[in-house]
Amino acid sequence: EDQVTQSPEALRLQEGESSSLNCSYTVSGLRGLFWYRQDPGKGPEFLFTLYSAGEEKEKERLKATLTKKESFLHITAPKPEDSATYLCAVQLYNNNDMRFGAGTRLTVKP
Amino acid sequence: EPEVTQTPSHQVTQMGQEVILRCVPISNHLYFYWYRQILGQKVEFLVSFYNNEISEKSEIFDDQFSVERPDGSNFTLKIRSTKLEDSAMYFCASRGLVTNEQFFGPGTRLTVL
Repeated sequence: EDQVTQSPEALRLQEGESSSLNCSYTVSGLRGLFWYRQDPGKGPEFLFTLYSAGEEKEKERLKATLTKKESFLHITAPKPEDSATYLCAVQLYNNNDMRFGAGTRLTVKP
Repeated sequence: EPEVTQTPSHQVTQMGQEVILRCVPISNHLYFYWYRQILGQKVEFLVSFYNNEISEKSEIFDDQFSVERPDGSNFTLKIRSTKLEDSAMYFCASRGLVTNEQFFGPGTRLTVL
């Protein structure tokens, strides 16, 4: 069965304390892996798409990487405004939908 | 910057009533989606829509659900007879033809009493 697992469930960091969030997947035929940010009561906000192992994408303090089994979202020197839930989702070759992980709730304290 | 919009932001209804949730996708997008998120749970796929027909649907999307693109801008989700367990945030998303990124609206919070 296709699965997307994110860890940790929750992460508390001090401002400036870099860390990584993990998304591991077991799917048949990955078309793409997506990272979204979700603030409380809001819709997911698109961050990155990764298509092949070894690919990396960066945006401000965030960098996403992809291997054949997992993806990491690295957060460098986070700020309190980076506090949110970060969602990972996979899209398969044989269908059009996205399957989401449960998310990592990130809190960055000043 | 173009964005997906959804109305209403919050809908309260009685069990057994019909509700229609409305979405205006990004104007040049061709693929449309509905997802739901029960409080504290994962975002779950409901249905995708392309070229005026459903392209895929999940097990959740049973006969009580339907989607429609009544004109060139709106995309609607109808729940015919709501149940308590339909209470959730419902997100509309759209994407263009070239890329796979889906852009989400702010959601409609549906509360079934």
